[in-house]
Amino acid sequence: DTEVTQTPKHLVMGMTNKKSLKCEQHMGHRAMYWYKQKAKKPPELMFVYSYEKLSINESVPSRFSPECPNSSLLNLHLHALQPEDSALYLCASSQGTSGYTDTQYFGPGTRLTVL
Amino acid sequence: KQEVTQIPAALSVPEGENLVLNCSFTDSAIYNLQWFRQDPGKGLTSLLLIQSSQREQTSGRLNASLDKSSGRSTLYIAASQPGDSATYLCAVLSGNTGKLIFGQGTTLQVKP
Repeated sequence: DTEVTQTPKHLVMGMTNKKSLKCEQHMGHRAMYWYKQKAKKPPELMFVYSYEKLSINESVPSRFSPECPNSSLLNLHLHALQPEDSALYLCASSQGTSGYTDTQYFGPGTRLTVL
Repeated sequence: KQEVTQIPAALSVPEGENLVLNCSFTDSAIYNLQWFRQDPGKGLTSLLLIQSSQREQTSGRLNASLDKSSGRSTLYIAASQPGDSATYLCAVLSGNTGKLIFGQGTTLQVKP
C-alpha cells in the first residue's frame, strides 16, 4: 500500500473559522510533509515532521499550525486565514530512516478556498 | 540556492509522437531527482526517481536520464497518448538542505 490519504478533498472557510486538514499513511513512514501549491505554480514546502517531531518550518505564518499525533497521522490546523491562503494543500510521506533521501509519496490534496 | 528550471513550459504534440521534457538544476549536490505527473486539481504521482549515483531509470514508455555534473535531466515519453496529457514536474532533493525543490513544470497536451 503506497497510499497517502487526505481529508477533506475540498474545504471552504471564512476568515474567522477554525478548521483542520488531515493526512494519513500506513506505510510505516517516519517523515511527513505539508506543501502548499498555488494555481499553476509548483508545490512549496511548509513543514516537515521526522519521527513525530517538527524538524522544518519554512517560516510559515502562525495561522497554520501543524500537529503529528502519531507516526501515521499529520494534521494542519487553520485559523484566521486570509483569501490569499486559498490553494491546494498537499501532504507527503517518506521512509525517513535515512534523513530525507527517500521517495516522497504524495496525497491527492485538499483544495482550500478562503472567503 | 538550488534552482530548477523546466523547458518548455508547455508542449502540444499529436498522438504517437516521441517527446522529450527537459529539466536543469543549478547545484549538483543532490540526493536524487524525481519526475512527477500532476493532473489538473489533483495530487502528484511519482513517475521515476533517479538516485544521484544513477544515470537513468525506465518505466514502461518513460525513460528518465540524469547528468549530475551538467545539472540536467530529461524525461523521454515514447509513443505519446492523449492520456499522457498532464503537467510534468521535475524535483531535486537538495543534498544541502534535504528539501525537495520543484521546477515550474511542463504542461503537455497530446492531441488525438
